[in-house]
Amino acid sequence: DTGVSQDPRHKITKRGQNVTFRCDPISEHNRLYWYRQTLGQGPEFLTYFQNEAQLEKSRLLSDRFSAERPKGSFSTLEIQRTEQGDSAMYLCASSLEADGLGQKLFFGSGTQLSVL
Amino acid sequence: GQNIDQPTEMTATEGAIVQINCTYQTSGFNGLFWYQQHAGEAPTFLSYNVLDGLEEKGRFSSFLSRSKGYSYLLLKELQMKDSASYLCAVRDIKAAGNKLTFGGGTRVLVKP
Repeated sequence: DTGVSQDPRHKITKRGQNVTFRCDPISEHNRLYWYRQTLGQGPEFLTYFQNEAQLEKSRLLSDRFSAERPKGSFSTLEIQRTEQGDSAMYLCASSLEADGLGQKLFFGSGTQLSVL
Repeated sequence: GQNIDQPTEMTATEGAIVQINCTYQTSGFNGLFWYQQHAGEAPTFLSYNVLDGLEEKGRFSSFLSRSKGYSYLLLKELQMKDSASYLCAVRDIKAAGNKLTFGGGTRVLVKP
């Protein structure tokens, strides 16, 4: 399968703990995005990488959140000192610059985070 | 910023047609996308419009009017498997990395 993969699929943690999620984009895609989605809502943009450079961060991304893409391939999203309000589905997407189909985003199945 | 509005929920009968409307406000429109998302799964791409008019793909069609800031997704010959959320998303030419901004999604329930 050459789609976007995310790990883990589900994460349950206690408030105050740190969690890290991983995303492996489609291999030839140079753009990678993180979104957050809560039940009944659309995905909200968090941050974006072009290759290894993090080029934009949403104001939704507090300083407890950090994302990396060290070699321009996989990415990690870490949340420190988790809060109950962080409970959500964290979606990763990738795209290829100059793709003819309007540079559509390909999404992974997400990591469902529950903070108790 | 961008405002994207779509109905929260719609119900239709198997075999029927449903039209999901989406209105948007953006200063630098550069494309509108529709995605389908089944519960607990990844959003999957359905259609893309950047010019006015209708794009048809099998049972699904999408329409765009840039002057009205309006799009719709038309689902024909509804099947039970079409029960899902349908996400309207807009790209702004000023957005870094061509990111998409999503509406809240329309949950479609297909009944037998």
